[in-house]
Amino acid sequence: DPKIIQKPKYLVAVTGSEKILICEQYLGHNAMYWYRQSAKKPLEFMFSYSYQKLMDNQTASSRFQPQSSKKNHLDLQITALKPDDSATYFCASSQDGSQNTLYFGAGTRLSVL
Amino acid sequence: GDSVTQTEGQVTVSESKSLIINCTYSTTSIAYPNLFWYVRYPGEGLQLLLKVITAGQKGSSRGFEATYNKETTSFHLQKASVQESDSAVYYCALGSNTDKVVFGTGTRLQVSP
Repeated sequence: DPKIIQKPKYLVAVTGSEKILICEQYLGHNAMYWYRQSAKKPLEFMFSYSYQKLMDNQTASSRFQPQSSKKNHLDLQITALKPDDSATYFCASSQDGSQNTLYFGAGTRLSVL
Repeated sequence: GDSVTQTEGQVTVSESKSLIINCTYSTTSIAYPNLFWYVRYPGEGLQLLLKVITAGQKGSSRGFEATYNKETTSFHLQKASVQESDSAVYYCALGSNTDKVVFGTGTRLQVSP
C-alpha cells in the first residue's frame, strides 16, 4: 500500500483558475516537502515543512501556497494558473529533515491549458 | 548554488549487458555533500536506491553500485548485468548542509529483451 498518497493523479486546468493538490503521508514523519518536475528539467525543490512549520521556500511566486492542516498533510494550493505551471508535482516526506531519506508520492501531473 | 548534471536523458541497454549512468555534481558547501541515487518505476514515486555520505566510499543496492569520487565530482551508477525489471527513471541527487536535496534531470533506462 502506498504510504504517501497524492490526489489527484492527473489534473487538467484552464489558465487563471485555482487548484489544490492533496498530499497525505502515513509514515509518521515530521518533515514534508513539495518538488516539481517540468519537461526536461531537474526535479526542483519548492517547499519544506517540519512539524507543520515552513522551513524553506524556494518558489518565487506567491501563487503557490502550501497548507498543512494536520501533521501528516501538506496540500499545495496554486492560484491564477499559467501554462508554465504544467508539471508533475511530487510530495515527499522524511523522518525529520536534514539529509534523511526522502519518501515520495507518485505525483500529480498538472496540465494547464 | 548546488547542482547535479545527468547528461543522458535516455539510455537503452540489452538485457544482461552492463550499464553506466553518468552523474556529476557541483556544490558551494564547505563540507562534502551526501550523494544519492533514486529510482522511479512506472506509476510509482521516487524511492531511494543507494546513498553514500563519505567521499571515496561505494554504495550498492540490488546489483547497482556508485562510488563517491570527490576528485572528479562524480557519482556514476553502474550495474554489471541489467534486467528488464530495471527499466525505470534514475535520478542522481545531492544533499548539503540544508534539508533541501538537489536532483538531476533523471535518466530513463530502457532494457530491451
